[in-house]
Formats: sequence, structure tokens, C-alpha cells
Amino acid sequence: AQKITQTQPGMFVQEKEAVTLDCTYDTSDPSYGLFWYKQPSSGEMIFLIYQGSYDQQNATEGRYSLNFQKARKSANLVISASQLGDSAMYFCAMRVYTGANSKLTFGKGITLSVRP
Amino acid sequence: DAGVTQSPTHLIKTRGQQVTLRCSPKSGHDTVSWYQQALGQGPQFIFQYYEEEERQRGNFPDRFSGHQFPNYSSELNVNALLLGDSALYLCASSRLTGAVGYGYTFGSGTRLTVV
Repeated sequence: AQKITQTQPGMFVQEKEAVTLDCTYDTSDPSYGLFWYKQPSSGEMIFLIYQGSYDQQNATEGRYSLNFQKARKSANLVISASQLGDSAMYFCAMRVYTGANSKLTFGKGITLSVRP
Repeated sequence: DAGVTQSPTHLIKTRGQQVTLRCSPKSGHDTVSWYQQALGQGPQFIFQYYEEEERQRGNFPDRFSGHQFPNYSSELNVNALLLGDSALYLCASSRLTGAVGYGYTFGSGTRLTVV
């Protein structure tokens, strides 16, 4: 079974500063992918960044980067130069590439508030 | 290019009733997955449809059923509603084959309240 753990309480960051959101995962499958999604109050899940288990380099997408530490089973999201519009819930999710599985397993999420 | 469209956006039902939620996938996508997100929690996988058949199912009772139509749109049906079924129901579409990392597109969800 797969598990995603997000234990940080609500996070606060000053506008234009960087922030790290923590995510640890657990799976026995060697082939998997890790996702980060942003969920504003509107409810839509917005894809931010993806890291495959066999990727050699950490993923980056604009202001988002993923600090992937495979041995520690962690996949932390780093947001650089925070903006007021970054205030939202952030979810870490995982998919294992085994058989017919294609579901995403989500963590409980972290609330990020950006202060002006 | 329209993304994933869900209807209705909000719904209030009485305990014991039945409800149908609808989802139109993103253009070019052939697979639809449904998730239940209780307040303050992460989404939980309900099931996935491909080629009009249920391909994978999460840990949800048989009261939750679905359907996929030839145009790839999908419905989620919940019978004998319980108060605990109150949640945001998210639909996600994807292509069964193709780029694995970027394939999921979510709709804005249907907020179901059971009273």
C-alpha cells in the first residue's frame, strides 16, 4: 500500500521569500511518481510539478522545485519568491506504476498563507 | 481548449436520497477518475473508467457506482446517501497511455451536502 504524509501545520511566509512544504512517502514499488498540486478555495486541483522515481535530477517548473531525496523517501516542494496568489492548500500525491494501477494517493495537505 | 467540466457545482440532498454527478473530460482524454474529498482531508480515490468500464476501484461501498459514455464523459451515482457522504467530489481526466507525469487534469468539483 502507498502512503503520503504531510504533517506541517499551517505555514506562513512573507511575500517574495522562499518556503518549503514537506512530504514523505512510503511504497515498496520501485517505479512511482510524485506530484504536487495546489488547491485554491475554488476547489480545482492545479498541477504544479512531477518527479519520477528514476529521474536523476530534481524537477523544476518556474518558481517551483522539488527536493527529491529517495533514500529518505521525501519529496519536498520549494516555492521561491512567494506571491500573494500562492496562498492555498498544497497536496503531495503519489502514483505507483504497477499493473493496472493508475490512482493517485494524496496526503492531507498543507495550508500556505502568504503575508504582504 | 476546455478543461474538465463538472456539474452541478453545488448540491444539497436529504439522507437516503440518490444523487448523480457529471463530468466532461478534457479534450483528447479518454480516462475519467473520481475522488471524494472530505473537509480538511486529501482526496480519496473512488474509481476510474476507461472504455466505458470500471478499470480500478478504491475502498468505497457499492452505493457508489459510475458510468462512462462513448464520448468519454462520466457520471458518479451515490445511492442511499449518508451524512458522511458530504464532501467535494472531484473528477480527473487523463489519457491511459502517454506522458505519465503530466496526465491528470482535475475539474473544480461538485460540493455535495447531505442533510
